[in-house]
Amino acid sequence: KNEVEQSPQNLTAQEGEFITINCSYSVGISALHWLQQHPGGGIVSLFMLSSGKKKHGRLIATINIQEKHSSLHITASHPRDSAVYICAVLNTGNQFYFGTGTSLTVIP
Amino acid sequence: EPEVTQTPSHQVTQMGQEVILRCVPISNHLYFYWYRQILGQKVEFLVSFYNNEISEKSEIFDDQFSVERPDGSNFTLKIRSTKLEDSAMYFCASSLQGESWSEKLFFGSGTQLSVL
Repeated sequence: KNEVEQSPQNLTAQEGEFITINCSYSVGISALHWLQQHPGGGIVSLFMLSSGKKKHGRLIATINIQEKHSSLHITASHPRDSAVYICAVLNTGNQFYFGTGTSLTVIP
Repeated sequence: EPEVTQTPSHQVTQMGQEVILRCVPISNHLYFYWYRQILGQKVEFLVSFYNNEISEKSEIFDDQFSVERPDGSNFTLKIRSTKLEDSAMYFCASSLQGESWSEKLFFGSGTQLSVL
């Protein structure tokens, strides 16, 4: 049983395209994190959300608590955005659950 | 920008041996975490640590695992008797004090553990 489901698993886009990655979860949460894992394996935290929407540069993250769903959007995608994007939720019992990740490849 | 550092970057050990993975969290952070990622699989939560004690741990974090903050700067993960299935990338993370765990996480670059 996966507490966190991401879609799509793999995504290939042309440079400049608008990208959306989706995350659905089944547990009650206190926060949701979007993480970026680079090809070398390092992990960077992009956003922490508990409600609404956050924007950082070309990245936008939204969350709908009632629908238990979050989306990560990338505007004007660039090859350097190529990475695995991971959704992780912190449930109300303070346990982290991770999605399997979405592998994004942006082609020049 | 401050960062979480992990050493070593790669560790090779024989099955049954003890290993200690080291992490230096960001200096003013108070919450510390260990995660692991088996090759080709998703990241898994192991343990969280606050105020010199374990706050939460997952089913993976059994009696073979322990964590310690021995000197106020290092945060270590010890695996007492390694098994083949412990081979994974181990990530340390830290976050600022907050009213909940809902703080941005800062990750180290990971230690790749290979158990032979």
